[in-house]
Amino acid sequence: AQRVTQPEKLLSVFKGAPVELKCNYSYSGSPELFWYVQYSRQRLQLLLRHISRESIKGFTADLNKGETSFHLKKPFAQEEDSAMYYCALSADSGGSNYKLTFGKGTLLTVNP
Amino acid sequence: DGGITQSPKYLFRKEGQNVTLSCEQNLNHDAMYWYRQDPGQGLRLIYYSQIVNDFQKGDIAEGYSVSREKKESFPLTVTSAQKNPTAFYLCASSIFRTGESNYGYTFGSGTRLTVV
Repeated sequence: AQRVTQPEKLLSVFKGAPVELKCNYSYSGSPELFWYVQYSRQRLQLLLRHISRESIKGFTADLNKGETSFHLKKPFAQEEDSAMYYCALSADSGGSNYKLTFGKGTLLTVNP
Repeated sequence: DGGITQSPKYLFRKEGQNVTLSCEQNLNHDAMYWYRQDPGQGLRLIYYSQIVNDFQKGDIAEGYSVSREKKESFPLTVTSAQKNPTAFYLCASSIFRTGESNYGYTFGSGTRLTVV
């Protein structure tokens, strides 16, 4: 069975500092990885997908299959980045099943 | 305005009662999902449906039931058999095309269920 681990429940940084939210997964096949974000009083929304290899709001994430990780990074944090971040895994990259397994989330606080 | 709508926003249930949470989408998405969100637990999958008239159990299906009679609608019933139903329930939808990558989900704004 697949599992997603976000080792930090809480992460606090100062504005302008680099930020890295960790995500590790366990799955023997080829997964698809996602980051979702939930800002205060807003709905959960997709931030980025590893397969797109894009940068959204300055965030990037690289899938490291050797380390089974998909850490989310931003070189200079902004106060508006404060939110709950969830890493998620789709176990079937062949496209026959789209269900996602989520980590428990990391609450990021960016202090002024 | 395309999107996914959950209702009601807040729901109070007496012990022993069944309640039904509504989820409707007008995104023409094929697949729909129900998750439960508890503090410190992340999101856990209750049920999902990738096509009309078909659905599968997720990781925590006990005490819940669903139906998928229309593409747009995926109601969740929390039955009296669910031992700890107080939680925040999230509905999501996605495109589903066999053989293609997962494009990710669109989420509703959630329903907070409290047992009184």
